[in-house]
Amino acid sequence: NAGVTQTPKFQVLKTGQSMTLQCAQDMNHEYMSWYRQDPGMGLRLIHYSVGAGITDQGEVPNGYNVSRSTTEDFPLRLLSAAPSQTSVYFCASSYSAGSGANVLTFGAGSRLTVL
Amino acid sequence: GQNIDQPTEMTATEGAIVQINCTYQTSGFNGLFWYQQHAGEAPTFLSYNVLDGLEEKGRFSSFLSRSKGYSYLLLKELQMKDSASYLCASMDSNYQLIWGAGTKLIIKP
Repeated sequence: NAGVTQTPKFQVLKTGQSMTLQCAQDMNHEYMSWYRQDPGMGLRLIHYSVGAGITDQGEVPNGYNVSRSTTEDFPLRLLSAAPSQTSVYFCASSYSAGSGANVLTFGAGSRLTVL
Repeated sequence: GQNIDQPTEMTATEGAIVQINCTYQTSGFNGLFWYQQHAGEAPTFLSYNVLDGLEEKGRFSSFLSRSKGYSYLLLKELQMKDSASYLCASMDSNYQLIWGAGTKLIIKP
């Protein structure tokens, strides 16, 4: 049981390049989400999905796209990378949304640097 | 607005007890979470409180006072492996998590 798998673990981009962070979970979780973590700040929600075919914006969605074609996969696309997107990105999933006991399982994180 | 406050850093001695406080202000409330995050790793779930009172889970306990918008995480018999950041998160009326910046706990021998 792999849990939540994120790739790549590290990535360096130049300003204006695009890339996709991959996220896959094998727990049959309905809810999946992407966060970014910056020094001195709490985790900030980028996008989330409550099921296949359904996505919604979080607190900081600008510059990012997502899709959820299957229950298992939730890729995050950076359209045109900017230095402000230098961060550590976490994918997280849970059994369902809309529940107070929505315990998240996180991927190992992807450290992205934009030059 | 929505806000979570917790101390930036705390230091404690191996074998001792430490209390990490968290105050929250969110639009509605559906529970308070604590996560542990070791340096360079992913956050992992520690506890969830939705009712007032103390929940004990081994060496770790979590307390909630909804009327005061206040929670704490109590760690007993500290071990070196408890050196980590502890993240407080409140779930708002839309079941979205609002995260604090985390408290870095340093354990000294």
